Amino acid sequence: GAVVSQHPSWVICKSGTSVKIECRSLDFQATTMFWYRQFPKQSLMLMATSNEGSKATYEQGVEKDKFLINHASLTLSTLTVTSAHPEDSSFYICSVTRGPYGYTFGSGTRLTVV
Amino acid sequence: GQQLNQSPQSMFIQEGEDVSMNCTSSSIFNTWLWYKQDPGEGPVLLIALYKAGELTSNGRLTAQFGITRKDSFLNISASIPSDVGIYFCAGKINTGTASKLTFGTGTRLQVTL
Repeated sequence: GAVVSQHPSWVICKSGTSVKIECRSLDFQATTMFWYRQFPKQSLMLMATSNEGSKATYEQGVEKDKFLINHASLTLSTLTVTSAHPEDSSFYICSVTRGPYGYTFGSGTRLTVV
Repeated sequence: GQQLNQSPQSMFIQEGEDVSMNCTSSSIFNTWLWYKQDPGEGPVLLIALYKAGELTSNGRLTAQFGITRKDSFLNISASIPSDVGIYFCAGKINTGTASKLTFGTGTRLQVTL
């Protein structure tokens, strides 16, 4: 599978500020990346599909204006949580798909909004 | 969004015991994947299943793709302490590269010495 780097691994921010999370595909040019959110003791929920050079596709119930996704290159997708609030505190994970079956996940970003 | 139902929700077993967990869906999937997640990390792929009825092994792990394409199970033999973690099944409907994964609710495994 692909090698995926996610940064930062954890971040604490004040309520009302914005936070950017990066997901890099280190050894593969990824036209598609996925962003997930995971609350404590829960499963991964897909937030959006990030498409290189075009708009992201958001899952139902995910606010696209709040969770901005940019996939400007084949190796980098970013997720920006705008005007973060405590309820946005979660574990955010990206995934790169390589071929029809391979999905490799980043190590995740723990966001805490205070 | 849709989720797959996994059972059991959690397991406490002794080192050396075998473990079995399963995943069921109301929908058909064409690919089943099993992942393990350690605390504070992203999921890591354990086994991938591509055809109904397929039985695949990876070391002490064995998984099967149900005939109905609506379920899958994972067995771990002779468990060891490093097997501790959360196990997720994931299903995929289409074979395209941009196809989404649907994750199960997870099985939390604890291994005691």
